[in-house]
Amino acid sequence: DVKVTQSSRYLVKRTGEKVFLECVQDMDHENMFWYRQDPGLGLRLIYFSYDVKMKEKGDIPEGYSVSREKKERFSLILESASTNQTSMYLCASSKNRGWKLFFGEGSRLTVL
Amino acid sequence: GQQVMQIPQYQHVQEGEDFTTYCNSSTTLSNIQWYKQRPGGHPVFLIQLVKSGEVKKQKRLTFQFGEAKKNSSLHITATQTTDVGTYFCAGRDGGSQGNLIFGKGTKLSVKP
Repeated sequence: DVKVTQSSRYLVKRTGEKVFLECVQDMDHENMFWYRQDPGLGLRLIYFSYDVKMKEKGDIPEGYSVSREKKERFSLILESASTNQTSMYLCASSKNRGWKLFFGEGSRLTVL
Repeated sequence: GQQVMQIPQYQHVQEGEDFTTYCNSSTTLSNIQWYKQRPGGHPVFLIQLVKSGEVKKQKRLTFQFGEAKKNSSLHITATQTTDVGTYFCAGRDGGSQGNLIFGKGTKLSVKP
């Protein structure tokens, strides 16, 4: 089965710190996504990538950037973390557009 | 922009009772997917519906896609404690290549 691995399950950072969230998938999927999940708000798309070195903004990209230097790895970067970025971050991948998503276990980030 | 509304937000049932969650889109969808997220877990793909009026079953779960492809439902017959979790619908527009728009989910709790 597809495995999507997120580097950290839990992180605690301070306001203003730079934060890297790493995601690796092992099934040669073309597409990768970053979502954040907040109570009552569901899953909201931050950024996505349909190919190496390609990135597109999702619904809530402000305050975030991404990097996809290799097909299997998609990184989410918070240049200067703020308390309103405290959330659960979920990485997902899919074989191609229109296909089902495979999610990682999630990274719970707390910004103090 | 496109919105996918999901109701109810919460549902508490006695074990053995039935459960239904509904999704409605502001626009016509090319397809809709359903995911389940167990407490403390990550969303896991359940099914995809593509055709107008489509009905699919997975054991006690019945999924429907409306005739106008703007609404969908998930019905669970005779709930069990293993059904506990949050159920998300996710609709795709812009043809089959568009991004998924997730509903906010229905959190199901089952009292034994």
